[in-house]
Amino acid sequence: RKEVEQDPGPFNVPEGATVAFNCTYSNSASQSFFWYRQDCRKEPKLLMSVYSSGNEDGRFTAQLNRASQYISLLIRDSKLSDSATYLCVVRPPGGYQKVTFGTGTKLQVIP
Amino acid sequence: EAQVTQNPRYLITVTGKKLTVTCSQNMNHEYMSWYRQDPGLGLRQIYYSMNVEVTDKGDVPEGYKVSRKEKRNFPLILESPSPNQTSLYFCASSLKAGIDGYTFGSGTRLTVV
Repeated sequence: RKEVEQDPGPFNVPEGATVAFNCTYSNSASQSFFWYRQDCRKEPKLLMSVYSSGNEDGRFTAQLNRASQYISLLIRDSKLSDSATYLCVVRPPGGYQKVTFGTGTKLQVIP
Repeated sequence: EAQVTQNPRYLITVTGKKLTVTCSQNMNHEYMSWYRQDPGLGLRQIYYSMNVEVTDKGDVPEGYKVSRKEKRNFPLILESPSPNQTSLYFCASSLKAGIDGYTFGSGTRLTVV
């Protein structure tokens, strides 16, 4: 089983829709969790950290489910500009030097 | 502006010709790392550095070297590039490893022929 797994998509959603992605991780003792956004052929950019209590930033909500070992990202009222690949990132236990990136979920918001 | 600067953005080279990709950050970050990104494989860590003069291998270090003589700079060296090193490379930094999110450079698209 991969350390971090994401559905590659693409998720094609109409403008204004709500869409959710999940990311599962294999090590139950994993620590920090993040969501990044990557536009085509550009650098990943930090979207938000994922806290145990969940967190929200405008239209974006991130949640952590430790029991089922996944994190989620919910995007409400999708905009065309949300079209991108969303990467989840997990820091496993045992050290601060390494994180593992998922391969990403591609979102395409359609007019 | 706080940023990670990578150079060059694009590079085409021939097999065996040594090259260096530079990475510099102006945020006084302790942690720096190099990744390569290939279709279907995601971002894979090549080398990382916890601080000046402290470097260690990531998941795919073969064929690469790094150095961290100054806090701001973390160059990636390919002593003898081969076609399987054709990839998109990213440098990243963070204040503290694994706690803060990373700031990435704009990437270097390397083609080895």
